[in-house]
Amino acid sequence: QVQLVQSGAEVKKPGSSVKVSCKASGGTFSSYTISWVRQAPGQGLEWMGRIIPILGIANYAQKFQGRVTITADKSTSTAYMELSSLRSEDTAVYYCARELTVAGTVYAFDIWGQGTMVTVSS
Amino acid sequence: QSALTQPPSASGSPGQSVTISCTGTSSDVGGYNYVSWYQQHPGKAPKLMIYEVSKRPSGVPDRFSGSKSGNTASLTVSGLQAEDEADYYCSSYAGSLVVFGGGTKLTVL
Repeated sequence: QVQLVQSGAEVKKPGSSVKVSCKASGGTFSSYTISWVRQAPGQGLEWMGRIIPILGIANYAQKFQGRVTITADKSTSTAYMELSSLRSEDTAVYYCARELTVAGTVYAFDIWGQGTMVTVSS
Repeated sequence: QSALTQPPSASGSPGQSVTISCTGTSSDVGGYNYVSWYQQHPGKAPKLMIYEVSKRPSGVPDRFSGSKSGNTASLTVSGLQAEDEADYYCSSYAGSLVVFGGGTKLTVL
């Protein structure tokens, strides 16, 4: 049974950076694609970007280009999402999620981490 | 890339059916058969209910069904039950990225 376990809650100052981890267990990490999705308080889901660990290739939503970096460490089966130049609007729960594959990705997220609350406040 | 459009709320009585729409463009919903639906209860992570427009993951009741016509996808919940009360989000592949809808709060009356 594949599980994604994320790092704990963070409180950050405006202008700083945050790095959230997502450790996979119970499967073959390198064969997954991992996406990051965030949800501001009381708001909807927002896709940030994804990484294919076996290739080390990431792509990002235009909104976050230049501010977000998604990486993966195959040796520890862990994906990371780093967001820089934080502002109050970045206060949200950040989720990692595995993309379902059926003879290739179908761009649906079947396994989710538990979420990491990031609070940006002075 | 704009978010997909969903009605903010929907409701139905136990046993009834309710349909939630998700409208996009030819660059997302209309261009690909990669529409998914998620259920989210308060304080919980989203749960995948439908993928590839109409396919159900193992364990999802067949009361949940999906369809698509043109640029609009739909989720239908039949035989409403109290535990179906939740927020529902659609998503679509949009050419190298994924876009979500704004979400629909489903109330079981």
